[in-house]
Amino acid sequence: KAGVTQTPRYLIKTRGQQVTLSCSPISGHRSVSWYQQTPGQGLQFLFEYFSETQRNKGNFPGRFSGRQFSNSRSEMNVSTLELGDSALYLCASSSTGGEGYTFGSGTRLTVV
Amino acid sequence: SQQGEEDPQALSIQEGENATMNCSYKTSINNLQWYRQNSGRGLVHLILIRSNEREKHSGRLRVTLDTSKKSSSLLITASRAADTASYFCATDAGGDKIIFGKGTRLHILP
Repeated sequence: KAGVTQTPRYLIKTRGQQVTLSCSPISGHRSVSWYQQTPGQGLQFLFEYFSETQRNKGNFPGRFSGRQFSNSRSEMNVSTLELGDSALYLCASSSTGGEGYTFGSGTRLTVV
Repeated sequence: SQQGEEDPQALSIQEGENATMNCSYKTSINNLQWYRQNSGRGLVHLILIRSNEREKHSGRLRVTLDTSKKSSSLLITASRAADTASYFCATDAGGDKIIFGKGTRLHILP
């Protein structure tokens, strides 16, 4: 079966702009989690969605938001981009959440 | 905040040798998982061990869990060049989310 698909793979944005990243989970998986990965902070948990509801949220400012659609596809949005938002954003899906995540290849966001 | 802490941060060994990485965590967990990441790409799930298990095997991988010490180890036997990657432990402490450590960078020397 198809894996987790993240689009786009690479993105360059200017400070102050906003960006939307997309994640299509494995068919049948209802839990989608988002992580931010940077060399300094490692993998930081952003949020987790299950059946269109946000179940968990990490310690990120309100500029970071997300949503999940009825087909389990998820998007995350970052508004008013800052240089420090440059990172690899990873999406992961699982059937229930909490174990056995399958990750996408990530979206590399560069803010200039 | 990081729940797990891997040790060492980096490890270089000769091909064919065994590689051992350790993970310590802070709170009670439901399970602990190990993942591999190649060159900034997505993570690949390697193995999951539940809190009531002490040891688990998968191919050349052996994972142990000591809940009294809040620690786990990942052993890769007979290492290969393709094992060069970063390895992360992740803990599920409840709440349907997993928290990652900062990882161990493993380099297999030819």
